[in-house]
Amino acid sequence: EIVLTQSPGTLSLSPGERATLSCMTSQSINSRDLAWYQQKPGQAPRLLIYAASSRATGIPDRFSGSGSGTDFTLTISRLEPEDFAVYYCQQYDSSPPRYSFGQGTKLEIK
Amino acid sequence: QVQLQESGPGLVQPSGTLSLTCAVSGDSISSNNWWSWVRQPPGERLEWIGEFHHSGRTNYNPSLKSRVAISGDKSKNQFSLNMNSVTAADTAVYYCAREGDRGYSLGYWGQGTLVTVSS
Repeated sequence: EIVLTQSPGTLSLSPGERATLSCMTSQSINSRDLAWYQQKPGQAPRLLIYAASSRATGIPDRFSGSGSGTDFTLTISRLEPEDFAVYYCQQYDSSPPRYSFGQGTKLEIK
Repeated sequence: QVQLQESGPGLVQPSGTLSLTCAVSGDSISSNNWWSWVRQPPGERLEWIGEFHHSGRTNYNPSLKSRVAISGDKSKNQFSLNMNSVTAADTAVYYCAREGDRGYSLGYWGQGTLVTVSS
């Protein structure tokens, strides 16, 4: 089983600043299998990035994903007030088929 | 657009069976997509439970496989989750979801339903 570890646990920033969130996997994975989600209190997760670096439909271009192997990053270039939420990375393993999630990074207003 | 809506009892007795249904609109469960259940205990991370394909294939999280079954009803365009022998550790918000249009991800989610296991 591949384990996903996100850092930091909490990130305190101000609107307009740049946010960098990390996701490390316990084994090297195919970039196509890595996704990022945003979750606000009381809401379902929302897909932001799939295949490590492709934005999902309707996602603003201030969100970008990068990385390969075991190290992946979600970057929010200029934080908007609505971006403060919890972010999860997710990996899909095809053998056997399963999804795994990181423990999340809480992005809070400083 | 694709919409999913969970329904089912909000309270289940310990050792009982948790049964939830996900009604789908804007797509057919007979389409070539995988339909998943995901849960989130209060304050914890997301946990994938399993997935269903209209061909009858299913995949389950190995940690839950012995207690879980996912099936579909094409006539009602919905799919269901059954989990037996539940304990307080199964208390969570349960989400149904559909794989994304591209990439190995979950692109469409229901709003979620809280299930509490308690006597």
